[in-house]
Amino acid sequence: GENVEQHPSTLSVQEGDSAVIKCTYSDSASNYFPWYKQELGKRPQLIIDIRSNVGEKKDQRIAVTLNKTAKHFSLHITETQPEDSAVYFCAASKGGSYIPTFGRGTSLIVHP
Amino acid sequence: EPEVTQTPSHQVTQMGQEVILRCVPISNHLYFYWYRQILGQKVEFLVSFYNNEISEKSEIFDDQFSVERPDGSNFTLKIRSTKLEDSAMYFCASSENGADTQYFGPGTRLTVL
Repeated sequence: GENVEQHPSTLSVQEGDSAVIKCTYSDSASNYFPWYKQELGKRPQLIIDIRSNVGEKKDQRIAVTLNKTAKHFSLHITETQPEDSAVYFCAASKGGSYIPTFGRGTSLIVHP
Repeated sequence: EPEVTQTPSHQVTQMGQEVILRCVPISNHLYFYWYRQILGQKVEFLVSFYNNEISEKSEIFDDQFSVERPDGSNFTLKIRSTKLEDSAMYFCASSENGADTQYFGPGTRLTVL
């Protein structure tokens, strides 16, 4: 089955800095990569996703890059704000299933 | 914006008891899912449901678990005889066509004593 590794487990940045979270996956058939943000005690919420026919996708301060050859994808948050503080989960899934396998999560702390 | 809802928000039960967790998916969605998240750990897939039957399930979803769509709006997860290790947050999710974004409910925190 699919295995998703996520690093770092904790990321502490100053407000205004950039944050990068990296994930690798094992199944080359995976073709859909969502990122979820989970605030303490709340539901996971999709913040951005990318499909394997695209190398990069951007939505305001958030961007995701995908390297299919290396089987890794990354989340980039620019100009971080305290409200970006949360746990971020990457996931990978493949067509026909679209059941995501989640990474272990990155706790992002943005210091004002 | 429509949201997935879940009840109860917190359920406390004794080991060996049966529990039913309830979910109301987004109304035009056709695919339904249950996930669990043990405190401090990642979200784990349990089961997916489409067209009134299970379409996929993980190895976590053993004979103690069952799902049902008893009417046109509810989607339930039943745990027949709860164990201590079933203590977790259980999330329901739904998607419109299975290949699209999954929207998560707020979760039910299950505590087994």
